[in-house]
Amino acid sequence: DTAVSQTPKYLVTQMGNDKSIKCEQNLGHDTMYWYKQDSKKFLKIMFSYNNKELIINETVPNRFSPKSPDKAHLNLHINSLELGDSAVYFCASSQAGSYNEQFFGPGTRLTVL
Amino acid sequence: AQKITQTQPGMFVQEKEAVTLDCTYDTSDQSYGLFWYKQPSSGEMIFLIYQGSYDEQNATEGRYSLNFQKARKSANLVISASQLGDSAMYFCAMKGAGSYQLTFGKGTKLSVIP
Repeated sequence: DTAVSQTPKYLVTQMGNDKSIKCEQNLGHDTMYWYKQDSKKFLKIMFSYNNKELIINETVPNRFSPKSPDKAHLNLHINSLELGDSAVYFCASSQAGSYNEQFFGPGTRLTVL
Repeated sequence: AQKITQTQPGMFVQEKEAVTLDCTYDTSDQSYGLFWYKQPSSGEMIFLIYQGSYDEQNATEGRYSLNFQKARKSANLVISASQLGDSAMYFCAMKGAGSYQLTFGKGTKLSVIP
């Protein structure tokens, strides 16, 4: 059973389009995250939800909007895609608490043409 | 604010040898957690090992051990008996008490030579 799953795994789209990435976890965790990994492999937090409430909202363009319909899902919607949005996006989940590791999804490679 | 520094962009190690990947951190938190993740070329992020700031003993998980030196603010990963499958990017990360997010270093690319 996949613990944290993301769809799609690859996403190729044109500039200006709107796209969504879905994330689901079956670990019963309270907290979910979106990270962005750039072309230099640097990972940076974008958003975090705890029990469906937004708790971290880093400085990302407001074209990015997370949505958490329930504790097990955290989707990422991106409007008006730009070339610079090309990256790998990782969803992760953990139990609340500082000492619990985060489990990552397989990543979604977004390419904007 | 928290900061993780990994000074080795790339490392090579002979198969079956041990290797140490460096990680230093900076935080004003008294309580925090340190993590290491592995990212093979297939792209997934795999959790390896965790060390709490108040843990007296260094963490170990199989061939992985964490050399934690609190006064130096370092949390180096030691991989013993390297295998070809250990070739990957390795990321050090930390999380402060009460914080939800992980702060990552820039990673070290480890290549194991047969």
